[in-house]
Amino acid sequence: QLVLTQSPSASASLGASVKLTCTLSSGHSSYAIAWHQQQPEKGPRYLMKLNGDGSHSKGDGIPDRFSGSSSGAERYLTISSLQSEDEADYYCQTWGTGIVVFGGGTKLTVL
Amino acid sequence: QLQLQESGPGLVKPSETLSLTCIVSGGSISSRSYYWGWVRQPPGKGLEWIGSLYYSGSTYYNPSLKSRVTISVDTSKTQFSLKLSSVTAADTAVYYCAGYSEINSHPTVIDYWGQGTLVTVSS
Repeated sequence: QLVLTQSPSASASLGASVKLTCTLSSGHSSYAIAWHQQQPEKGPRYLMKLNGDGSHSKGDGIPDRFSGSSSGAERYLTISSLQSEDEADYYCQTWGTGIVVFGGGTKLTVL
Repeated sequence: QLQLQESGPGLVKPSETLSLTCIVSGGSISSRSYYWGWVRQPPGKGLEWIGSLYYSGSTYYNPSLKSRVTISVDTSKTQFSLKLSSVTAADTAVYYCAGYSEINSHPTVIDYWGQGTLVTVSS
């Protein structure tokens, strides 16, 4: 079964960097994913598509501070030079044959 | 730049059918590059995929909702619709329409999101 696992919460200081993790279920370690950001009281925004080899393509207007990487079944979203507006929920999303799956989301707090 | 906008009633009675429409602008709903579909988010919870369809009418649905969901497209009006039958309070959520990149005849990355519309199920 295709499942994405995310830690419920993360925190980091203003100006620092943070690395969020999304883990693919067993047997699906080669799958690509997408990262989405949801700021408080707003709808989700597409950030990037991240492939299993770590290559990624970002959505329009997404700052260079956002980057992605991969290792095995883990997919990472790194945000550098954290700003207050980066405080948000971050969801990973993947897809299989006729199915779309979301991770549970990680709530990022900027201290 | 594609833009999606949801519309529909904000209040639905239990056991009735929830109906929403999404208007697509800035691009063609008949594009072979995209699937169109719906995602929902109950208050305080995460995102849940409802289903997706291609302009040709081909559809994929979340197995947990499949018996109650219909997604259809009206290419003449550049819009697509969601119908969810026999609703209960558990269907109360913000409903988002979305555009998915098509790869190998399947929906993949959600590239575009609507702003969302809250639907409350209550008598």
